[in-house]
Amino acid sequence: EAQVTQNPRYLITVTGKKLTVTCSQNMNHEYMSWYRQDPGLGLRQIYYSMNVEVTDKGDVPEGYKVSRKEKRNFPLILESPSPNQTSLYFCASSSQPTGPLNTEAFFGQGTRLTVV
Amino acid sequence: QKEVEQNSGPLSVPEGAIASLNCTYSDRGSQSFFWYRQYSGKSPELIMFIYSNGDKEDGRFTAQLNKASQYVSLLIRDSQPSDSATYLCAVGPVGGTYKYIFGTGTRLKVLA
Repeated sequence: EAQVTQNPRYLITVTGKKLTVTCSQNMNHEYMSWYRQDPGLGLRQIYYSMNVEVTDKGDVPEGYKVSRKEKRNFPLILESPSPNQTSLYFCASSSQPTGPLNTEAFFGQGTRLTVV
Repeated sequence: QKEVEQNSGPLSVPEGAIASLNCTYSDRGSQSFFWYRQYSGKSPELIMFIYSNGDKEDGRFTAQLNKASQYVSLLIRDSQPSDSATYLCAVGPVGGTYKYIFGTGTRLKVLA
């Protein structure tokens, strides 16, 4: 079954305590992204990756890091979380970055993060 | 001007009617246009993808793209109560990068 798997689903942490949210896809997709979803602001892209070792900033990258050492995995790292990073996070993957061959796109189940 | 704009709704239509959802975008260089459906508390689910000008049909769904006018729309024929959800328009890549921008979504209510 094609899927994007995120862990954990729920996380409550304290300000400044480093955390990692994992994301894995089993479709051999090239393009992977992280988004955060906030009421009234919609989905905003944090970082994206075109392929292994190729990552770039989205619209709201401050306070986040990513890495893409293997094609299937794209973890999101918060080195020093702050309360304004409390949000619902989604990982997504798609077959291509763009173009007519970009016909598949899947989102993970989401990670609800609360930073106190 | 927002990069991707959608009417937040709610858009209410009776069961069996056609629901029409619209999205405008600002980056003329964008090539890929997606429609996602998101039920409350769930993750977005891709329902349509369109790349070329014109119409693309898939079952009850039709996506329409007009690059000259910079809008993309989604028609849902024979709307069902199960279609009640928020519909998200996504456009990209933007700004000469490979970023994607989402609209804030239109909430659709199909009344039984």
